Amino acid sequence: GAVVSQHPSWVICKSGTSVKIECRSLDFQATTMFWYRQFPKQSLMLMATSNEGSKATYEQGVEKDKFLINHASLTLSTLTVTSAHPEDSSFYICSAVSRRRASGANVLTFGAGSRLTVL
Amino acid sequence: DQQVKQNSPSLSVQEGRISILNCDYTNSMFDYFLWYKKYPAEGPTFLISISSIKDKNEDGRFTVFLNKSAKHLSLHIVPSQPGDSAVYFCAASAHGTSGSRLTFGEGTQLTVNP
Repeated sequence: GAVVSQHPSWVICKSGTSVKIECRSLDFQATTMFWYRQFPKQSLMLMATSNEGSKATYEQGVEKDKFLINHASLTLSTLTVTSAHPEDSSFYICSAVSRRRASGANVLTFGAGSRLTVL
Repeated sequence: DQQVKQNSPSLSVQEGRISILNCDYTNSMFDYFLWYKKYPAEGPTFLISISSIKDKNEDGRFTVFLNKSAKHLSLHIVPSQPGDSAVYFCAASAHGTSGSRLTFGEGTQLTVNP
């Protein structure tokens, strides 16, 4: 089945530094990837839609200059949290559209997530 | 504004019994609904989906029911197994397929006791 790999799975950084999270589709091409953020015991909140070869589309309230998204190839999207602060500590999850072999339907395949802790 | 709500943060059932997870939505533009299962420290995995043109979809032990007039859907798991213990997220899309933006509920922690 489709696999989405996310790296790193967890990262601790100092306040003011930048952190890059990678999202890769391992066995399929993804023109569109999505970045979500999840706080404890809350739902996954869509941050932005990452489009290969073009600018990301950000959801309302998400600072595009703080959360830089680059989708340079059909298998890789990156999220960079710039000048991270403790309130940016969260679980970040990416997903990509893949096609189920049995039904041919499109489904979102998620990465395992990246837990960011900003000290 | 939480457009997709799962009002029960947790549910506990005995092995072999039925688990019923509920989800309500407010956006009448939603026309495709999905359930995802999530284990700790892992990303959500797709479980089952339903289009708004249907009111029921079944896949093995999992059945999703959609009541459009009530803007309510539910996931039934029968018989429940200990391995089903996880957080279940309901999600909805307004563009007909899961290839577009999904709005998620808060999740329900299901615990199946042996």
